[in-house]
Amino acid sequence: DTEVTQTPKHLVMGMTNKKSLKCEQHMGHRAMYWYKQKAKKPPELMFVYSYEKLSINESVPSRFSPECPNSSLLNLHLHALQPEDSALYLCASSQVENRGPGDEQFFGPGTRLTVL
Amino acid sequence: GESVGLHLPTLSVQEGDNSIINCAYSNSASDYFIWYKQESGKGPQFIIDIRSNMDKRQGQRVTVLLNKTVKHLSLQIAATQPGDSAVYFCADCSNRDDKIIFGKGTRLHILP
Repeated sequence: DTEVTQTPKHLVMGMTNKKSLKCEQHMGHRAMYWYKQKAKKPPELMFVYSYEKLSINESVPSRFSPECPNSSLLNLHLHALQPEDSALYLCASSQVENRGPGDEQFFGPGTRLTVL
Repeated sequence: GESVGLHLPTLSVQEGDNSIINCAYSNSASDYFIWYKQESGKGPQFIIDIRSNMDKRQGQRVTVLLNKTVKHLSLQIAATQPGDSAVYFCADCSNRDDKIIFGKGTRLHILP
């Protein structure tokens, strides 16, 4: 299995809702990432988990809360989002944290989030 | 500061012709680059990578060239096909802070 899967594919939520995005990989990768991608822009790093521990938080607002329950799963909990948070949320994984050749990141298809 | 940029936001190419997508970087210490392809509605997909000890690397229909003197790399796609339509990102993956630095992206549009 060489895939990163993400659910749901699409999500529409109100500003008072609580929802979660899910990401799964079975490649034995020990680093997992959340990115946010706005239209016509490159992905922006949000969080990095390494060996199930949060290693990088790119000053992301607390209304985004990541969780790594085990080495195969990564969640992103959403609460009290704003319309400007509407974007494609991408999950990625790599063998270890990005350290050059052989450790490229594999991306999932993303969750298209719309905040009303 | 660190930046990875692309010279053209959109490139239109006749089907069957070769495509060349360019990218410039600013950190002379950068030593590993990846080209990603992102089709509509999908996540970025790895196409090809290159280390700084090489100046050329070839894959199936794709070639990446690296010119460290002018801090420039390019992606060449031979015999461009409709399935090559996508946004292409160059990425500096050599940053020791464990972060990828993505370029702005170039949209490749295939003309019939």
